[in-house]
Amino acid sequence: DIVMTQSPDSLAVSLGERATINCKSSQSVLLSSNNKNYLAWYQQKPGQPPKLLIYWASTRESGVPDRVSGSGSGTDFILTISSLQAEDVAVYYCQQYYNTPVTFGGGTKVEIK
Amino acid sequence: EVQLVESGGDLIQPGGSLRLSCVVSGFTFSNYWMDWVRQAPGKGLVWVSRINRDESSVSYADSVRGRFTISRDNAKNTLYLQMNSLRAEDTAVYYCARVAAHDGYCTSTSCYRSSDIWGQGTMVTVSS
Repeated sequence: DIVMTQSPDSLAVSLGERATINCKSSQSVLLSSNNKNYLAWYQQKPGQPPKLLIYWASTRESGVPDRVSGSGSGTDFILTISSLQAEDVAVYYCQQYYNTPVTFGGGTKVEIK
Repeated sequence: EVQLVESGGDLIQPGGSLRLSCVVSGFTFSNYWMDWVRQAPGKGLVWVSRINRDESSVSYADSVRGRFTISRDNAKNTLYLQMNSLRAEDTAVYYCARVAAHDGYCTSTSCYRSSDIWGQGTMVTVSS
């Protein structure tokens, strides 16, 4: 199975400041035939189910604000919230779907400083 | 409105059985692969099982293979998870999730896509 490792486990960011979450996969999730990274990001607010934010490592799901962005390729990926808002407080998970079973990172908790 | 509503979670003794249901609305259920994903209290997300559109292909996490069975009834717009020989470590919120149609690809036996719609979850507690 592909192991997904996120860092940090948690971070506290001031309102309006940048939040950066890292995700590393134990093997490449880049499919050479279409040059797509099979990597998604989810947001989970307290008491709620996960919400898909980003797929193909950098494509925002419909309705996701443009302050949220994904980048990276191969084995190293980043989720960036450019200007943290109060509603961004949540746990964020990366997921690879390059191989079965799909696997998730351990999560990163984002709080307000 | 697209909606997934899980039910069937309960407090059950170790070794017991439970069947979870997920009723969907707002989209053509038979066109989508579906997942079960679980989350133990205070822990992260763990994929449990996936089923293709016509039940001809199913897959399971190693931790549940042989004990859990995923199925669906397209006429009733319902996804199921039959859980047998339950263990304490199966205690979790169980989510059903729709496998996205906008990324990746599917073969006849596997689907390499994210999950774009999730239900609210149903809690399963295995304890004596």
